[in-house]
Amino acid sequence: AQSVTQPDIHITVSEGASLELRCNYSYGATPYLFWYVQSPGQGLQLLLKYFSGDTLVQGIKGFEAEFKRSQSSFNLRKPSVHWSDAAEYFCAVGAGTGFQKLVFGTGTRLLVSP
Amino acid sequence: KAGVTQTPRYLIKTRGQQVTLSCSPISGHRSVSWYQQTPGQGLQFLFEYFSETQRNKGNFPGRFSGRQFSNSRSEMNVSTLELGDSALYLCASSLAGFGARQETQYFGPGTRLLVL
Repeated sequence: AQSVTQPDIHITVSEGASLELRCNYSYGATPYLFWYVQSPGQGLQLLLKYFSGDTLVQGIKGFEAEFKRSQSSFNLRKPSVHWSDAAEYFCAVGAGTGFQKLVFGTGTRLLVSP
Repeated sequence: KAGVTQTPRYLIKTRGQQVTLSCSPISGHRSVSWYQQTPGQGLQFLFEYFSETQRNKGNFPGRFSGRQFSNSRSEMNVSTLELGDSALYLCASSLAGFGARQETQYFGPGTRLLVL
C-alpha cells in the first residue's frame, strides 16, 4: 500500500536560515508527489509537484524539492525562510484511478523564530 | 478564475443528526475529491467523483456518502453523526479525465464540522 512518512512533527528555523523538510514515500511505480502548505484554519495550497523528468522541481514562494528514487525521498527546501512561511507542510503521493487519491503524510509544523 | 468553494464554512450538529456539505469545483474541473482532517488521524481520503460516478473510495463507513451533479458540483453526506466525525472536511477539484495523468488537485477552504 502507498504511504508517506514525514519524520519531523515540528521544526523551528530562524528567519533567514535555510529549511529542509523531509518526506519519504512508499509506492510501487513511478510516484506522483506533491507538497502542500496549510495555514491555520485554511485549506491546502499546492507548493509544487513531481510527475516525471527533472528531479529538481521548483515551486511557488521560493520552494524547491528534489526527487531521489534511490532513497524514496522528496524533500522540500528553501534557501531563506521568511516569517510568513510558518505553517504546516504536507507531503502526498497520488494513488488510485487517475492518481486522484492523495495519500498524505502526517505533516510538519514549521515555526519561524525572529 | 474562482477557486474551489465550500459551503457552509462552519457547522454545529448533535450526535445522531445528519449533515450535507457542498463543494463547487473550479470551472472546467470534472473531478471532485473529499478529505477529512482531524488532529488524531490527519488527512484522510474519503472518496472521489468523476462524471457523476464514484471513481475512488477511501476506508470510511457507509455513513459517509457523496454524489456529483452534472455541473460537477458535489455534495457529501454524513448520517447518524458521531462525536468522532468532528473534523475539517476538505474538498478538492482537478481536471482529471479518465486515464489522465499529471492532474493536480486544488483545495477549497474546508467546512469545519463540530458534533456535540
